[in-house]
Amino acid sequence: NAGVTQTPKFRILKIGQSMTLQCAQDMNHNYMYWYRQDPGMGLKLIYYSVGAGITDKGEVPNGYNVSRSTTEDFPLRLELAAPSQTSVYFCASSDSSGGNLDTQYFGPGTRLTVL
Amino acid sequence: GENVEQHPSTLSVQEGDSAVIKCTYSDSASNYFPWYKQELGKRPQLIIDIRSNVGEKKDQRIAVTLNKTAKHFSLHITETQPEDSAVYFCAARPGGGNKLTFGTGTQLKVEL
Repeated sequence: NAGVTQTPKFRILKIGQSMTLQCAQDMNHNYMYWYRQDPGMGLKLIYYSVGAGITDKGEVPNGYNVSRSTTEDFPLRLELAAPSQTSVYFCASSDSSGGNLDTQYFGPGTRLTVL
Repeated sequence: GENVEQHPSTLSVQEGDSAVIKCTYSDSASNYFPWYKQELGKRPQLIIDIRSNVGEKKDQRIAVTLNKTAKHFSLHITETQPEDSAVYFCAARPGGGNKLTFGTGTQLKVEL
């Protein structure tokens, strides 16, 4: 299993540009999450999904959108990039079956800079 | 919502010493408390977790304690080694879902 994968690893955007951060998992997990991590700070939840077709806002959803058309993929969309969105973005997944809902597995991250 | 505070923000110890990181949470309904380790430039990885029906859990040199009354939990690392140097994050999960609220992290440095 590759686990949780993310692309791209790095990206520089200009203010106002749009992009999609890709996230995929091959563990058949039903829960998926997007976090952002700013320097010296913890992880803040942007959006999460409990299954295909179901998404919900986290703590810091403004400026982002998500979709979940399949169990495997959970892309994060930035429509109008702003310098405040400069951050490292982590995708994670977890499995609600077998009483193992708790453990979240993280992808390698995408480092995004908006100039 | 849940609020998690973590202290200290930086911690420097000598190799072989113990390290303790403390977290407090605000939501008394929180029932799951994981600890993640993040090495520089890498993804967070779960190192140990504890559920609200347990007061202490140990895994080799790592232990976590939970005091539900005081709403705080702690990570204990004994016999620290240079490879323990990393940022450690605590988190809490309020009851009824799987959304985690993270602390702001502790930079642990183990010096030779």
